[in-house]
Amino acid sequence: GAGVSQTPSNKVTEKGKYVELRCDPISGHTALYWYRQSLGQGPEFLIYFQGTGAADDSGLPNDRFFAVRPEGSVSTLKIQRTERGDSAVYLCASSQGARETQYFGPGTRLLVL
Amino acid sequence: QKEVEQNSGPLSVPEGAIASLNCTYSDRGSQSFFWYRQYSGKSPELIMSIYSNGDKEDGRFTAQLNKASQYVSLLIRDSQPSDSATYLCAVRLNAGNNRKLIWGLGTSLAVNP
Repeated sequence: GAGVSQTPSNKVTEKGKYVELRCDPISGHTALYWYRQSLGQGPEFLIYFQGTGAADDSGLPNDRFFAVRPEGSVSTLKIQRTERGDSAVYLCASSQGARETQYFGPGTRLLVL
Repeated sequence: QKEVEQNSGPLSVPEGAIASLNCTYSDRGSQSFFWYRQYSGKSPELIMSIYSNGDKEDGRFTAQLNKASQYVSLLIRDSQPSDSATYLCAVRLNAGNNRKLIWGLGTSLAVNP
């Protein structure tokens, strides 16, 4: 079956602009996670959804970052007033079941100029 | 102290040798442990998961967990050049609503033909 998909694969924007990153999880997976990864670092947790609700948003760095999952499937990560420090690869993962192994999408490479 | 620590490497082994990758974690409440492989420019791919003390084998890969020592390792037997990648250790608390993965920085492995 299809894996996790993310769009766009690459996004270049200017400082101060608004961006939306989309994640389409594996069909039937109820949990969805957003991470971001900078060069040479491990992924950094941002937010986790169980169904439609954000079960843990403790990793969102500030109020410029927001994520939604209105129907419990596709999720959108929204970044307002982008800053150069937001440049990273944004990874989405989904999981299902008691052990909840997380499967990752290909990521969106965000570059803020 | 970082929550999940790995030697950054690079770890260099000859083809056919055993590669040993190590990871320590700080939170004794951690319940689930994962090894992911990440090729350059790609997203993390699950290699092994382990939940109980002892060894777990899957093909050429063996994960070892020692909760008393807060240590998890990954052995790769008969290493192949295609195993050259960054190996990320990830740990989850599994406490209450906590489902996020805490990641190490990764160990870079180079398998030389």
